[in-house]
Amino acid sequence: NAGVTQTPKFQVLKTGQSMTLQCAQDMNHEYMSWYRQDPGMGLRLIHYSVGAGITDQGEVPNGYNVSRSTTEDFPLRLLSAAPSQTSVYFCASREANVLTFGAGSRLTVL
Amino acid sequence: GQQLNQSPQSMFIQEGEDVSMNCTSSSIFNTWLWYKQDPGEGPVLLIALYKAGELTSNGRLTAQFGITRKDSFLNISASIPSDVGIYFCAGNYGGSQGNLIFGKGTKLSVKP
Repeated sequence: NAGVTQTPKFQVLKTGQSMTLQCAQDMNHEYMSWYRQDPGMGLRLIHYSVGAGITDQGEVPNGYNVSRSTTEDFPLRLLSAAPSQTSVYFCASREANVLTFGAGSRLTVL
Repeated sequence: GQQLNQSPQSMFIQEGEDVSMNCTSSSIFNTWLWYKQDPGEGPVLLIALYKAGELTSNGRLTAQFGITRKDSFLNISASIPSDVGIYFCAGNYGGSQGNLIFGKGTKLSVKP
């Protein structure tokens, strides 16, 4: 049972490039979410989904897109990366108020 | 928006000492959670609290859901080097699809 799997673990982008962070869970959780973690800022919610075909914005959604075509997958897209998006990104799925996190994806935008 | 105030921001303690950290909110929460994050990893759930006044232990860790429902604390007894990491509180006040709000974390360093 893998839980929440994120790829890639590390990525370096140039400003303006696009990329997708992948997230998959095998726990059949309806709720999935993306957080970013910055020093001194804790974890801030970017986007979330309460089920396939349903997504909504969190606290810091600008510059990010998401889609949820299946229960298992919840990719996060950066259409035009900016240095302000340098961060560690965590995907999480939830059951009964408890979030289970992936191991994180460290993104650097030059 | 909703905010959680977590303190202290960091702690430097000697192995064997007890540790206490807490979170407060301006709103009533119906769930409090405590997570630990090891370097290079995602946060892992330590303790979940669902009722005001609830006191729950997990090994050397003890957490309580405040009676006012606006605060929670986490105690670690007899700290050991592997307790090093960042501890986050998180709460759910029931709004916005039940999204969790996180404190900014307490970074714990343990000197052997």
